[in-house]
Amino acid sequence: DAMVIQNPRYQVTQFGKPVTLSCSQTLNHNVMYWYQQKSSQAPKLLFHYYDKDFNNEADTPDNFQSRRPNTSFCFLDIRSPGLGDAAMYLCATALPRAEETQYFGPGTRLLVL
Amino acid sequence: AQSVTQPDIHITVSEGASLELRCNYSYGATPYLFWYVQSPGQGLQLLLKYFSGDTLVQGIKGFEAEFKRSQSSFNLRKPSVHWSDAAEYFCAVGATADYKLSFGAGTTVTVRA
Repeated sequence: DAMVIQNPRYQVTQFGKPVTLSCSQTLNHNVMYWYQQKSSQAPKLLFHYYDKDFNNEADTPDNFQSRRPNTSFCFLDIRSPGLGDAAMYLCATALPRAEETQYFGPGTRLLVL
Repeated sequence: AQSVTQPDIHITVSEGASLELRCNYSYGATPYLFWYVQSPGQGLQLLLKYFSGDTLVQGIKGFEAEFKRSQSSFNLRKPSVHWSDAAEYFCAVGATADYKLSFGAGTTVTVRA
């Protein structure tokens, strides 16, 4: 089945230690998104790629970076995680039209010690 | 900019009873409206969406939603709730100008036996 895969499902890191989360898709969608979701809150868009074009949300901290080496993969890098970055990180993909469904991966739960 | 309000933070319903979740949106043009469901520790799954045509939309898992332009609403309904419907439900609106979604804060549904 075509899908969105996120690895790892759970990630524990130390305060200030860089961490990378990965997302891959078999849907061949142009657009890939990274969301941060804290407990009992709505997903918050961090940035998205349209093909190789990177689009950062205005309020996304510089501590968060992303890479998309090819259509299938996208990475979220947190350069110096703080305690406030502990959250669920969701990857989603879609075709580039407003009416298109976003397909979400299962998420990576990040814990910062 | 578009926005979504979900007035109910938490709803408790008995198994077999009907369920209605409210969603109000703000957007100047014809909106693209979505309902997603999120089970604990999982990603989001699309239940249904509306972007044109019949204002009563059928989705998966027995859910339906009705678009009412005059009330700027897109309420989600299910005639008979199952215990497996316990989850978080998010309403979202997409704009014609881009392919990003604005999510509501979510409604948590608890199903009691």
